[in-house]
Amino acid sequence: DGGITQSPKYLFRKEGQNVTLSCEQNLNHDAMYWYRQDPGQGLRLIYYSQIVNDFQKGDIAEGYSVSREKKESFPLTVTSAQKNPTAFYLCASRVPGREGNQPQHFGDGTRLSIL
Amino acid sequence: DQQVKQNSPSLSVQEGRISILNCDYTNSMFDYFLWYKKYPAEGPTFLISISSIKDKNEDGRFTVFLNKSAKHLSLHIVPSQPGDSAVYFCAASRSGYALNFGKGTSLLVTP
Repeated sequence: DGGITQSPKYLFRKEGQNVTLSCEQNLNHDAMYWYRQDPGQGLRLIYYSQIVNDFQKGDIAEGYSVSREKKESFPLTVTSAQKNPTAFYLCASRVPGREGNQPQHFGDGTRLSIL
Repeated sequence: DQQVKQNSPSLSVQEGRISILNCDYTNSMFDYFLWYKKYPAEGPTFLISISSIKDKNEDGRFTVFLNKSAKHLSLHIVPSQPGDSAVYFCAASRSGYALNFGKGTSLLVTP
């Protein structure tokens, strides 16, 4: 089945530690995105990548880093510089919009909590 | 600044009746609008979209209406079913790039 896989579903981190969230897709999509959702809030864009080896900061990139070495993978690292990392993290992908708009498809998310 | 606003955090509707979820936006450059449905602890699922060149798009029980002059869109669900109970997010984008999401409306469909 084609889709987006985020792992793990639940993740715990000690203060001061970096942690990496995995996102893999087999949809052959060029564009991938990371969002953060907090209670009662919409999804806020952290980083996005339109193509391999290229990525752009979103609205709340501080304290996060990403890489895009392969088309199917877009891992997100939550660094110790992120002061409030507890949240639900969602990864998405889509076909870029050159041939008309396409919706983003989402993974099932990773819930990160600080111990 | 929130460019996409869903001013109703929650909505309760009886089964079989119409559910109307509203969304306002401020950026006149947005040209693509979407609705997503989300269950707890899951990722959002794409529901329906509309391009700015249209004012209505229909897919089964779901219809999205776009009023560009008012910068307003709405999602109609007819008839509403208990399985429609979820959080609905409105989203908008410019030229197919990153989506801007509203804060969501929690819909409860009661039997």
